[in-house]
Amino acid sequence: GAGVSQSPSNKVTEKGKDVELRCDPISGHTALYWYRQSLGQGLEFLIYFQGNSAPDKSGLPSDRFSAERTGGSVSTLTIQRTQQEDSAVYLCASSLDGGSDTQYFGPGTRLTVL
Amino acid sequence: SQQGEEDPQALSIQEGENATMNCSYKTSINNLQWYRQNSGRGLVHLILIRSNEREKHSGRLRVTLDTSKKSSSLLITASRAADTASYFCATGDSSYKLIFGSGTRLLVRP
Repeated sequence: GAGVSQSPSNKVTEKGKDVELRCDPISGHTALYWYRQSLGQGLEFLIYFQGNSAPDKSGLPSDRFSAERTGGSVSTLTIQRTQQEDSAVYLCASSLDGGSDTQYFGPGTRLTVL
Repeated sequence: SQQGEEDPQALSIQEGENATMNCSYKTSINNLQWYRQNSGRGLVHLILIRSNEREKHSGRLRVTLDTSKKSSSLLITASRAADTASYFCATGDSSYKLIFGSGTRLLVRP
């Protein structure tokens, strides 16, 4: 079946602009995660959605970052007033029912802030 | 701070040789997972080992877990050029979070 998809695959924006990144999880997966990966680094947890529960936003680095998940499926990560340090690959993952089980990753969105 | 730390940070071997990567972590875990990443994009799940398991195999992959030393190793046998990638360990606890290490960059020379 279809895996996790993300769009756009690449995004170049100017400092100060807002960007929206989209994630389509695997159908039927109740848990959805966003991570950020800076060049040559590991993954930094950003936010976690599980079913209808309140999301865990503890990893969001600033109030310029927000995310929502509509209808328990598609998620959008929004970065307002982008800064150069926001440049990174943003990865989305989903899992069947959360917990610390296997996560299935999308191909990521490479964000470059000029 | 990151839970898992991989060692070495980079590894270069000849095709056909075995590659061993290590991961150390700090707190109690439910499971430890290894992922592979090509070209800085999406990660692919390789193998999951639970805290009550000591060794697990999947094809050319062998994972060991020593909870007393809070460490794990990933062995790739008979490496191929296509194994060139970054490899990450990730630890799972009783919550939903996976904590990823900083990765080992493996280069397999043809």
